[in-house]
Amino acid sequence: RKEVEQDPGPFNVPEGATVAFNCTYSNSASQSFFWYRQDCRKEPKLLMSVYSSGNEDGRFTAQLNRASQYISLLIRDSKLSDSATYLCVVMGGNTPLVFGKGTRLSVIA
Amino acid sequence: DTGVSQDPRHKITKRGQNVTFRCDPISEHNRLYWYRQTLGQGPEFLTYFQNEAQLEKSRLLSDRFSAERPKGSFSTLEIQRTEQGDSAMYLCASSPVEGSGLTFGAGSRLTVL
Repeated sequence: RKEVEQDPGPFNVPEGATVAFNCTYSNSASQSFFWYRQDCRKEPKLLMSVYSSGNEDGRFTAQLNRASQYISLLIRDSKLSDSATYLCVVMGGNTPLVFGKGTRLSVIA
Repeated sequence: DTGVSQDPRHKITKRGQNVTFRCDPISEHNRLYWYRQTLGQGPEFLTYFQNEAQLEKSRLLSDRFSAERPKGSFSTLEIQRTEQGDSAMYLCASSPVEGSGLTFGAGSRLTVL
């Protein structure tokens, strides 16, 4: 089982739609969780950290389920500018951040 | 510019040549990471430093790869005797403390012919 697994997509959604991505991780000792956004041929950029209680930043909501070892990202009212690849990132114990392969999102007008 | 800087941005080389990439992290960040990314994949961890100490190396980092951070500031990643399979984007990132998110540089794209 891979350390971090994501559905690669692509997810093609119309503007204004709500879309959710899930990510599972294998290391139960993982302590820190993040979502990164990566635009085509650009570097990954931190979108948001994921906290145990769940957290929200504008149209974006991240949740963590430690028992089932998955994290999720919900995007409400999708904009064209949300089109990108979303990377799930996990850090376990003393290991550096492990990235998933990413989920590609295309928001269509 | 207070971000992470990488140089060169693009490098085309012939198989068998040596290449070196440089990374200048955010100045207050004592942790520096190197990742490699190929098309359709997420970044893969190569190695990281806390100050000048190299704390971990991935098994992806063969003997042809070496990284240094001699004064705990900038870092270099050298690839000797490059192979076509080394073609990738080499990303450097830094962070202030363990457990915090990483700030990435724009990357150095390597093409080995």
